[in-house]
Amino acid sequence: GAVVSQHPSRVICKSGTSVKIECRSLDFQATTMFWYRQFPKKSLMLMATSNEGSKATYEQGVEKDKFLINHASLTLSTLTVTSAHPEDSSFYICSAPRTGRDTEAFFGQGTRLTVV
Amino acid sequence: AQSVTQLGSHVSVSEGALVLLRCNYSSSVPPYLFWYVQYPNQGLQLLLKYTSAATLVKGINGFEAEFKKSETSFHLTKPSAHMSDAAEYFCAVSGGNQAGTALIFGKGTTLSVSS
Repeated sequence: GAVVSQHPSRVICKSGTSVKIECRSLDFQATTMFWYRQFPKKSLMLMATSNEGSKATYEQGVEKDKFLINHASLTLSTLTVTSAHPEDSSFYICSAPRTGRDTEAFFGQGTRLTVV
Repeated sequence: AQSVTQLGSHVSVSEGALVLLRCNYSSSVPPYLFWYVQYPNQGLQLLLKYTSAATLVKGINGFEAEFKKSETSFHLTKPSAHMSDAAEYFCAVSGGNQAGTALIFGKGTTLSVSS
């Protein structure tokens, strides 16, 4: 079964509104989570690293005021797309590494955001 | 710095034929290498991973990959393609067993399987 749950799987919103996407690790704690964006027919581009209890680290070119990340607990990170515009329409995927003897990154199911 | 290059954005094979998806990596540290599969509008599913143990790695659904340091390659193979293998495949690299290290993905290869 899924060990990382991402919600919602699909959302349509109007331009100018904000959308929150949740990423939960279901049976392990994740002090770090990653947010990726995937354009059609393109690879996954790392947007930011979410750190529990501290500020997120954003990749170059990613607007931190537009893509707000909150890692409020060891099992939950949220990505809020603020004042969304059509060009923000994309597929967003979160990932949480489960650490231990054999670290493995688990991915959420993804969120298809459409801004109209 | 790390990167992966997937050669061939689109591979087409017949059902029952050999599948070969190519991946070359660049890493300044001993790499961990991964292959993921993605079906439309879904997240990523791990097929297999190399973590510095055996160089020939067997994964799910009959896939395997061989780590060749001399060639900086980690090609994915499957002896006999099934229709259900049609999907997008991503090769990825990370800087070892570090929780704070994100994966760096290749551009992906679309695998088509014809009957």
